[in-house]
Amino acid sequence: DVKVTQSSRYLVKRTGEKVFLECVQDMDHENMFWYRQDPGLGLRLIYFSYDVKMKEKGDIPEGYSVSREKKERFSLILESASTNQTSMYLCASSSSGGRALNTEAFFGQGTRLTVV
Amino acid sequence: SQKIEQNSEALNIQEGKTATLTCNYTNYSPAYLQWYRQDPGRGPVFLLLIRENEKEKRKERLKVTFDTTLKQSLFHITASQPADSATYLCALDRGDGGFKTIFGAGTRLFVKA
Repeated sequence: DVKVTQSSRYLVKRTGEKVFLECVQDMDHENMFWYRQDPGLGLRLIYFSYDVKMKEKGDIPEGYSVSREKKERFSLILESASTNQTSMYLCASSSSGGRALNTEAFFGQGTRLTVV
Repeated sequence: SQKIEQNSEALNIQEGKTATLTCNYTNYSPAYLQWYRQDPGRGPVFLLLIRENEKEKRKERLKVTFDTTLKQSLFHITASQPADSATYLCALDRGDGGFKTIFGAGTRLFVKA
């Protein structure tokens, strides 16, 4: 059974803390993505990576960074957490197809982050 | 600006009926469109992909249409069951050859027994 695993289901962090969200996939996928999901706004792309050590900004990268040192692992870093980063964070992976959506994306279970 | 619209109001239907969900988009020329199902507190799960040159796609009780002239996709669940109750998301590529995708906010479906 293919899997995308996020390190935590729930996290509570204080304003100003550096926060690491980890994502691991076991499907040997080239592409990995980080989204945040907020009510009424849908999923918004923060960053994606199409290869090890490669990354590109999504639509809302401000306040975030990412790291992909190994193919199976993609980390999202909140450099200095703020209350407006309270959200559901979703990691996804897909095989390389040359285009964004010509292959299905597999999502993790999500991490609900609360910044207080 | 690029935009996707899905019915923000929940859709309530009776078991056995056909549910029809709508996804409209503006300012795109997507090559692909996908539909996902999301249960509360879970990540989305892929259901169907349809390409711009395909008018219709079916999978078991699911049917998707893609009208690039109307800039609209319709998602149908026939013979709906209470287990089909979930939020359904549509997602499109931006038609620019890149990796960025746009997701709609989703439509919540409730199927009553």
